[in-house]
Amino acid sequence: QVQLVQSGAEVKKPGASVKVSCKASGYTFPSYGISWVRQAPGQGLEWMGWISTYNGNTNYAQKVQGRVTMTTDTSTSTAYMELRSLRSDDTAVYYCARLGGGGSYFDYWGQGALVTVSS
Amino acid sequence: EIVLTQSPGTLSLSPGERATLSCRASQSVSSSHLAWYQQKPGQAPRLLIYGASSRATGMPDRFSGSGSGTDFTLTISRLEPEDFAVYYCQHYGRAFGGGTKVEIK
Repeated sequence: QVQLVQSGAEVKKPGASVKVSCKASGYTFPSYGISWVRQAPGQGLEWMGWISTYNGNTNYAQKVQGRVTMTTDTSTSTAYMELRSLRSDDTAVYYCARLGGGGSYFDYWGQGALVTVSS
Repeated sequence: EIVLTQSPGTLSLSPGERATLSCRASQSVSSSHLAWYQQKPGQAPRLLIYGASSRATGMPDRFSGSGSGTDFTLTISRLEPEDFAVYYCQHYGRAFGGGTKVEIK
């Protein structure tokens, strides 16, 4: 069965960086893109960007452009999201999600990784 | 950039009642690219509807989606206790609406 398993919770200081991983299993990794979505406490869902697991092409949301880098390692079927220059308002649960339907929707989600930014 | 506006923000209903949730796009979008998700507290979102009206695998038939252009609707015909959650619409794997919370009245 399809699974996306993310790395664990992190606590970071303002200005630091965090790298969250998302290990996929149960399907052919290069056949489906991966997106990253975050959710601040008590808030809605925010799309952060997308990476093609086939060729590494990326597209980032304007809000995090310049601070985020999404990568993949096809040898381990793992996607990564690195966010730099962390601020307190980056505190959120970060989800990876598989793109289905030719990129139209997210058919599988990771369990989420809480990133807390605090001095 | 497409902006999705969901209404109402909160819907207070009793089990067995019908729920009607709205998602309005800032410009016309293809219904093929409109999806709905359900999120329960402490859980990741789950795909509910894709292509505006197709139910995801395993989702009960009391959930239905409709609409086209700029106006889309998610209907829950008879609310079950497990349906009380937050629902989000999304366009083309990117922009999300702000969500509608369906709470027990």
